[in-house]
Amino acid sequence: DTEVTQTPKHLVMGMTNKKSLKCEQHMGHRAMYWYKQKAKKPPELMFVYSYEKLSINESVPSRFSPECPNSSLLNLHLHALQPEDSALYLCASSPSGASGGGGYNEQFFGPGTRLTVL
Amino acid sequence: GENVEQHPSTLSVQEGDSAVIKCTYSDSASNYFPWYKQELGKGPQLIIDIRSNVGEKKDQRIAVTLNKTAKHFSLHITETQPEDSAVYFCAASINNDMRFGAGTRLTVKP
Repeated sequence: DTEVTQTPKHLVMGMTNKKSLKCEQHMGHRAMYWYKQKAKKPPELMFVYSYEKLSINESVPSRFSPECPNSSLLNLHLHALQPEDSALYLCASSPSGASGGGGYNEQFFGPGTRLTVL
Repeated sequence: GENVEQHPSTLSVQEGDSAVIKCTYSDSASNYFPWYKQELGKGPQLIIDIRSNVGEKKDQRIAVTLNKTAKHFSLHITETQPEDSAVYFCAASINNDMRFGAGTRLTVKP
């Protein structure tokens, strides 16, 4: 298995809903990432998990809550989102954690979840 | 933090011509420079990368060059084909902290 999978592909939610995005990889990668991508913009880093521990949090609002249950799974829990949070949410993984690989860490992306907040 | 600038924002070439996209970065500690291709409705796909201890790398029709002194790196695509049409992103990374350029929309006209 050489890919990153994300579910669901599309999600529509109201501002009072609670939902979760899921990401999975079975490549034995030790780092996983969440990015947010608005239309016609580059991906923006949100969170990095290295060896199942949160290593980078880019000052993301608390309405986004990441979770890494094990080395293959990454979740993003969503609560009380705003319409401006509508975007493509991308998950990625890389072989090494922050201290491994000499810092050279190819990141492989999933197809994303298209989120619309009404 | 790292700041990556990418030019041009749009690029249109005739099939068979070459395309060049250029990026600059600000943090001299960045040591890994990947390039991604993103097609409509898909996630970014890694197409080539270069590490800070290498000046040039080639993979078939795609090549990347890195000038560490000037903090410049470039993507070169030769013999372009219509299926090369997509948005291309450069990025600069320190450990797992990767920052993207704004993207270049490449259109290859048949």
